[in-house]
Amino acid sequence: DAGITQSPRHKVTETGTPVTLRCHQTENHRYMYWYRQDPGHGLRLIHYSYGVKDTDKGEVSDGYSVSRSKTEDFLLTLESATSSQTSVYFCAISESGGLAYNEQFFGPGTRLTVL
Amino acid sequence: QKEVEQDPGPLSVPEGAIVSLNCTYSNSAFQYFMWYRQYSRKGPELLMYTYSSGNKEDGRFTAQVDKSSKYISLFIRDSQPSDSATYLCAMSTGNTPLVFGKGTRLSVIA
Repeated sequence: DAGITQSPRHKVTETGTPVTLRCHQTENHRYMYWYRQDPGHGLRLIHYSYGVKDTDKGEVSDGYSVSRSKTEDFLLTLESATSSQTSVYFCAISESGGLAYNEQFFGPGTRLTVL
Repeated sequence: QKEVEQDPGPLSVPEGAIVSLNCTYSNSAFQYFMWYRQYSRKGPELLMYTYSSGNKEDGRFTAQVDKSSKYISLFIRDSQPSDSATYLCAMSTGNTPLVFGKGTRLSVIA
């Protein structure tokens, strides 16, 4: 998986609790992304980062926040988890510039269930 | 209308068949076109990419882009059971993150 790890790989939590998912890369790529994947919706971008402390919102950012204090780590936080956030979450990375910017490499995913 | 449309299938074919997977899009500024393959319970992996229009071939796989019709295709020749997966198209203007189709689930039956 191109030097990308996600933790935890599985999590069950209760409505209203905060949850943090971690993505760690060893490729020194500039861009990092968080997606969610749901049946009938495909992959949808939540947030992405184009450098340390530089982040931007994606298509479905409500209820999520992110932080990137080091090149290798990108954290996704569900501030108060809801059942609608039950999903599979994927982290992805890409280099910067031109075609390389678009070649995203994905992690193995985190399966999150909110009861 | 979503920017990228992809028939979710499922698509079931016999081993050895030629498979055609397609996506349409509405944003004429898209320049980069990708196909990702995703096995069950795994992350997507990049299969092929094309810049602008034209064809690209890699072994049994051929990617085609027709920008005038806003239509892209992935052809798989001599399909194998190991090709059974979900195939996602993705595209970008080059200055914005990738936009993905919903994916087409393919089953190749031995």
